[in-house]
Amino acid sequence: DIQMTQSPSSLSASVGDRVTITCRASQSISSYLNWYQQKPGKAPKLLIYAASSLQSGVPSRFSGSGSGTDFTLTISSLQPEDFATYYCQQSYSTLRYTFGQGTKLEIK
Amino acid sequence: QVQLVESGGGLVKPGGSLRLSCAASGFTFSDYYMSWIRQAPGKGLEWVSYISSSGSTIYYADSVKGRFTISRDNAKNSLYLQMNSLRAEDTAVYYCAREADLGGVIVAFDPWGQGTLVTVSS
Repeated sequence: DIQMTQSPSSLSASVGDRVTITCRASQSISSYLNWYQQKPGKAPKLLIYAASSLQSGVPSRFSGSGSGTDFTLTISSLQPEDFATYYCQQSYSTLRYTFGQGTKLEIK
Repeated sequence: QVQLVESGGGLVKPGGSLRLSCAASGFTFSDYYMSWIRQAPGKGLEWVSYISSSGSTIYYADSVKGRFTISRDNAKNSLYLQMNSLRAEDTAVYYCAREADLGGVIVAFDPWGQGTLVTVSS
């Protein structure tokens, strides 16, 4: 299976900060990469699909980039509601979908 | 609005069985493939199983193959997961998730249900 590794595992930041989370695949996955946000006790929510496309209804402060093995999720100006755990997920390997281990974004 | 509601979780002994259900509403259930995804306590996400819109195509993660069975009833707008020979490592919140409406660009999961907790312990 394709391994997805996120860094950092946790991150402290302040409201208004620009934050970047990285996801690395163990092999090239082209742009078959999605990002999800999960708040405590809630289900994950799709933010970004196909590496850089913003899901409908998601604020434009979220953006994604990358292709091949290296991807980033950027939040341009952190808002209080953005403190959550973020997961990347690859869809390159059909029906062997795998997620990163998550990045917990906490308030500094 | 689109809604997925899981039920059927609970405490079960190792080797036991449990059947999860997911009731769908707000969309044409028979048009979408569905998946089960689980999350062990304090851990990350693991895709478990997939079923096509008609139910004719089914896949499982290696970790549950031969023990879990996914099914659906399009007339009842419902998805199921029959879990047999349960192990402690199957303890998790189980989410049902619909394929995202992305025009076939990529496989993604959206929306998700609220999850149901399965605890396997003696």
